[in-house]
Amino acid sequence: EDQVTQSPEALRLQEGESSSLNCSYTVSGLRGLFWYRQDPGKGPEFLFTLYSAGEEKEKERLKATLTKKESFLHITAPKPEDSATYLCAVQAPYGQNFVFGPGTRLSVLP
Amino acid sequence: ETGVTQTPRHLVMGMTNKKSLKCEQHLGHNAMYWYKQSAKKPLELMFVYNFKEQTENNSVPSRFSPECPNSSHLFLHLHTLQPEDSALYLCASSQATGSNQPQHFGDGTRLSIL
Repeated sequence: EDQVTQSPEALRLQEGESSSLNCSYTVSGLRGLFWYRQDPGKGPEFLFTLYSAGEEKEKERLKATLTKKESFLHITAPKPEDSATYLCAVQAPYGQNFVFGPGTRLSVLP
Repeated sequence: ETGVTQTPRHLVMGMTNKKSLKCEQHLGHNAMYWYKQSAKKPLELMFVYNFKEQTENNSVPSRFSPECPNSSHLFLHLHTLQPEDSALYLCASSQATGSNQPQHFGDGTRLSIL
């Protein structure tokens, strides 16, 4: 069964304190790994898609990387507006559906 | 309008009421999805439609009834709900179910069952 776990469950950072969020997955092959950001009371907002090990994507202070078993979302010099829940999802090659992880709740304090 | 729009944003209903949730996407996508998001649980896929045809019913109770009249609109009809059905209901769309393109989400309907 395809599974996605995320760690830590919650993370508090000071503004400017860089860190990484982890998404580990077990799936037989991978069609794609997707990162989303979700603000309270809102739907998930798409950030990145990664398709193969070694691939990296960047957007402002965020950088996503992918290995054969996990993905990291690196946050460099975060700001309070980066506070949100970050979700990852995987899509297996034989399936059409996404399997979502439980998310990491990030708080960045000024 | 752009993206995925869901109405209403909030809904409070009694267990004997009948109501409907509406989703509309303006992205030209062919696949639409209903998810349930409860506190401290991962997103749960409920239904999938591809080119208006239902392709997945993830063992959802019959008190939830989806309808997809065209590729841009998706409804979730609710009746005789239970308190444990209180949650955020999210609609998403993607290019098609067979593609490895991202799903795009609406802001959801926060449903409370009294």
